[in-house]
Amino acid sequence: EPEVTQTPSHQVTQMGQEVILRCVPISNHLYFYWYRQILGQKVEFLVSFYNNEISEKSEIFDDQFSVERPDGSNFTLKIRSTKLEDSAMYFCASSGLAYQETQYFGPGTRLLVL
Amino acid sequence: KNEVEQSPQNLTAQEGEFITINCSYSVGISALHWLQQHPGGGIVSLFMLSSGKKKHGRLIATINIQEKHSSLHITASHPRDSAVYICAVTSNSNYQLIWGAGTKLIIKP
Repeated sequence: EPEVTQTPSHQVTQMGQEVILRCVPISNHLYFYWYRQILGQKVEFLVSFYNNEISEKSEIFDDQFSVERPDGSNFTLKIRSTKLEDSAMYFCASSGLAYQETQYFGPGTRLLVL
Repeated sequence: KNEVEQSPQNLTAQEGEFITINCSYSVGISALHWLQQHPGGGIVSLFMLSSGKKKHGRLIATINIQEKHSSLHITASHPRDSAVYICAVTSNSNYQLIWGAGTKLIIKP
């Protein structure tokens, strides 16, 4: 069964460093999403991406964040200058044809900023 | 202000019991989702519904659009059902997925 994959599973970085989180969505999906979950808190929407551009973004998704689909398979989230409060689990998801389709989630990347 | 509220926050039950988890929302939605988050963190979509009722195995999800309320039921619960169950809604204004805080379910053998 097709699945969404994410790398790395864990990343530790120093405050101020740039990190890139990678996702490979399900191959025939058109919509891609990033979410984050700070430890002990609810999942929060960051951004959705369709047709090589951002469809929606939340207030959390400020200039420090960017997303890219550099090739036909990868979908990346870049955090330019990490802060302590960026420590969280980051989930990638994809869905088929529309927002209203079921989203399939990757296993997450646990980011720790020291 | 919580746009999606779940109850209870925690639920412990014995194997075999009928489980109900409730979700209320305050925004206009195009769809409501029930998801399961495993102890390791992985998230699985269980249901997406915009009206009525859906059933998959021992899981049943219902939604009442007028009352802005949904329920997730688990029949004949089993220890492997232990997980966090999350209600989330797709806002019909910005299409963002708004998540509830989750209900932590423990089923004891």
